[in-house]
Amino acid sequence: SQQGEEDPQALSIQEGENATMNCSYKTSINNLQWYRQNSGRGLVHLILIRSNEREKHSGRLRVTLDTSKKSSSLLITASRAADTASYFCATLTSGTYKYIFGTGTRLKVLA
Amino acid sequence: NAGVTQTPKFQVLKTGQSMTLQCAQDMNHNSMYWYRQDPGMGLRLIYYSASEGTTDKGEVPNGYNVSRLNKREFSLRLESAAPSQTSVYFCASWGRGRLAGNNEQFFGPGTRLTVL
Repeated sequence: SQQGEEDPQALSIQEGENATMNCSYKTSINNLQWYRQNSGRGLVHLILIRSNEREKHSGRLRVTLDTSKKSSSLLITASRAADTASYFCATLTSGTYKYIFGTGTRLKVLA
Repeated sequence: NAGVTQTPKFQVLKTGQSMTLQCAQDMNHNSMYWYRQDPGMGLRLIYYSASEGTTDKGEVPNGYNVSRLNKREFSLRLESAAPSQTSVYFCASWGRGRLAGNNEQFFGPGTRLTVL
């Protein structure tokens, strides 16, 4: 399978805590994106990091990328109950328009 | 300004029946995608179209065909549905959003397909 892996598969934290989820992928990439999916709904784009970038911030989100290890992490700081969702990484394979998604992390933030 | 639209929202088929899932985008994007998502799983790429007139296989193309009808529309066809194709199907397009910025994938609301 070309699909990337994410860990943990599920994460449960208290409101106000930080949540970290990791993504590993298999191919050479152009960029990596993180998406959020609320139960039964479509995916919403959160943040993009290019292959020549190492870290990126957007609001309470911080993404890192290590292309030598083919891995990325997403940190959500000061989590809220509304952050409860599944989070997926998606990689754009170099030289193509092909997106490959990871298996996802289910995050539950307890109020 | 609908973004990515998909029809139908729900569908129940019997084994062996055929159907076509429709997808359209109004953002003038070149690239379009079809994914399936099984319960508790991530999205798996079925087919994609980098531009009008081209289509390519993704991770799980068997049992499906696609047509890039024009720049706006990308349809997915199941010729002989099987229970293993029970899933939620998402269409997406890739490009800049209405507020510019980076390219990203924009997703439709999904089609829930059950094959009995």
